[in-house]
Amino acid sequence: DGGITQSPKYLFRKEGQNVTLSCEQNLNHDAMYWYRQDPGQGLRLIYYSQIVNDFQKGDIAEGYSVSREKKESFPLTVTSAQKNPTAFYLCASSIRKGRTEAFFGQGTRLTVV
Amino acid sequence: GDSVTQMEGPVTLSEEAFLTINCTYTATGYPSLFWYVQYPGEGLQLLLKATKADDKGSNKGFEATYRKETTSFHLEKGSVQVSDSAVYFCALSDPEGDSNYQLIWGAGTKLIIKP
Repeated sequence: DGGITQSPKYLFRKEGQNVTLSCEQNLNHDAMYWYRQDPGQGLRLIYYSQIVNDFQKGDIAEGYSVSREKKESFPLTVTSAQKNPTAFYLCASSIRKGRTEAFFGQGTRLTVV
Repeated sequence: GDSVTQMEGPVTLSEEAFLTINCTYTATGYPSLFWYVQYPGEGLQLLLKATKADDKGSNKGFEATYRKETTSFHLEKGSVQVSDSAVYFCALSDPEGDSNYQLIWGAGTKLIIKP
């Protein structure tokens, strides 16, 4: 089945550590996105990528980094510079930018302990 | 810039009640409009969409009509069930706006259906 797979579903991080969230899609989509969702809040865009080896900052990129070495994969690293990383992280993809809808993974819940 | 405004929640209804969740938008160009649903602890799922004026998107008993004259895309369902309890997000994609084709999201509306 085609879709987007995020892993792990739950992740715990100690203060000062970097952690990497995985996002893989087999939909052959060009565009991929990372969003952050805080309790009771909407979605905020962290980074997005329209093609391999290219990505752009979203509204809240500080403290995060990404790579897009393969079309299928768009991992997100939450660095120690991110002061408040506890949140629900959602990865999405779309065929291309434009009028097309986005498809979402199941999310990763990151907790700082 | 482009924006989406949804009615604030939570919206609490009894089972079999009629549902309306309001969504209005501002856009530079001619956007596509979407409704997504998020069940607790899960990602978002596309519920329905419309790409031009007067289009009606529908799915699972939910409907929304693209009203260009009122810049609205209200979500409706004739008879809600407990299983409809979730958070609903309205969104737009405007190829001509300054958002560079990104989806612009409303804040989400939490729907609670009581048996």
